[in-house]
Amino acid sequence: QLQLQESGPGLVKPSETLSLTCTLSGGSISSSSYYWGWIRQPPGKGLEWIGSIYYSGSTYYNPSLKSRVTISVDTSKNQFSLKLNSVTAADTAVYYCARQDYGDYGDFWGQGTLVTVSS
Amino acid sequence: EIVLTQSPGTLSLSPGERATLSCRASQSVSSSYLAWYHQKPGQAPRLLIYGASSRATGIPDRFSGSGSGTDFTLTISRLEPEDFAVYYCQQYAGSPAWTFGQGTKVEI
Repeated sequence: QLQLQESGPGLVKPSETLSLTCTLSGGSISSSSYYWGWIRQPPGKGLEWIGSIYYSGSTYYNPSLKSRVTISVDTSKNQFSLKLNSVTAADTAVYYCARQDYGDYGDFWGQGTLVTVSS
Repeated sequence: EIVLTQSPGTLSLSPGERATLSCRASQSVSSSYLAWYHQKPGQAPRLLIYGASSRATGIPDRFSGSGSGTDFTLTISRLEPEDFAVYYCQQYAGSPAWTFGQGTKVEI
C-alpha cells in the first residue's frame, strides 16, 4: 500500500533553514508517471503549493517562494526533500508531501507535519 | 497566475440536504484541469474529483463535479455526516504548478 511520510524538525529558529524529507513506501519514486510535491497550510488557513520535482531531478517552484526553496530527490532512498531558508514566523505551517499524477492532481498525500518557526 | 475564488465561504446545511459549491477562475482553465478535495480537521486533503468531473478512486457517487472554462461546481447530492469538512478546488493547467481556492467550509 502506498504511503508517504514526512519527517524533520518540528521547531526551527527564525532566519534558519527548514528541512523536511518525504519517504515513499509501497511504490517507486522513479516512476515516470508521477511528480512529487510539497504543499503547506498555515494554521487555520488554506493550502499553498511550494514546489514539485520529477525523479530526473527537474524542479518547479512557486514563484513567491522560489528564492528560498530547494527540492531534491534521492531515488536510492525513495525520498524527496524540501529546504526552505531564511524562515520567519509566516512559514509556520503543516507541511504535506504528495504524489502528483503526471504532475496534475494530488492523488496520495502524506499525513503532514507541523513546523513551527520560533526562537 | 490563475486565481481561484470559491463561494460561499461557509455553507450551513443538514444531513440529507444537497450542497452546491462554486469555484470561479480568473481566466479559463484549459482542458478542465480542475480538481476538488475535501479536508477534515487534522487530516490531509483527499482527492474527490479531477478533470472537473471525474471521481477519484473510492469516492461515492453522491459527489459530482461539473463546469468548464472559468466556472466549476462541486455538488454533493445528499450530505452524509462524514461530508462536513472544508472543500478546496485546485487548478493544474500549469502542471505541475498548482493553485488552490481559499476553501468552502460545509458545516452542520
